[in-house]
Amino acid sequence: DTEVTQTPKHLVMGMTNKKSLKCEQHMGHRAMYWYKQKAKKPPELMFVYSYEKLSINESVPSRFSPECPNSSLLNLHLHALQPEDSALYLCASSLDRSQPQHFGDGTRLSIL
Amino acid sequence: QQQVKQSPQSLIVQKGGISIINCAYENTAFDYFPWYQQFPGKGPALLIAIRPDVSEKKEGRFTISFNKSAKQFSLHIMDSQPGDSATYFCAASGVGSGNTGKLIFGQGTTLQVKP
Repeated sequence: DTEVTQTPKHLVMGMTNKKSLKCEQHMGHRAMYWYKQKAKKPPELMFVYSYEKLSINESVPSRFSPECPNSSLLNLHLHALQPEDSALYLCASSLDRSQPQHFGDGTRLSIL
Repeated sequence: QQQVKQSPQSLIVQKGGISIINCAYENTAFDYFPWYQQFPGKGPALLIAIRPDVSEKKEGRFTISFNKSAKQFSLHIMDSQPGDSATYFCAASGVGSGNTGKLIFGQGTTLQVKP
């Protein structure tokens, strides 16, 4: 079991739906990350939060909206997604941005 | 300059053998090199990591060898077991990615250890 918890594990949504992915860690980490991973590919960085402030947005389309309500929680709000957005969405955290990153097991997202 | 090249793409090893995965980077400002292990349906798990001030780091059956002048690093899995069958990703980070925390991943190696 990982110490970064992601919910839900699986999500199927239509292109007009709005849903959210949740990530939680209680390790006192102050950096949190969202990655997207397609099958047989490495994770691709989407967003980095450092001390609850967005520090990196890797030119992600606005249909993905991150939120960091507190130091333990990271959300990814989804709206009007496209079929090509189907992927494994991974959350990671680290003590700070210079420290090792620890990943959750991801949310498998399917867009119909 | 931001790339990390990983080889081979896939690897089949007999149980008890040595698995070797290689990575090469271009940006000399990278100063942190982790390896991740990923099983199907799971997230990547940090396996072992090295910084450029050492040439080798060993943790159990896993060893990272680091060659700063050649800008290469490799993962050696000794006495490979079927349970080691997974996808392995090398990565680079640190000053070379602007101290942003951004990990530059290699393309991954799928390892199969045959019983």
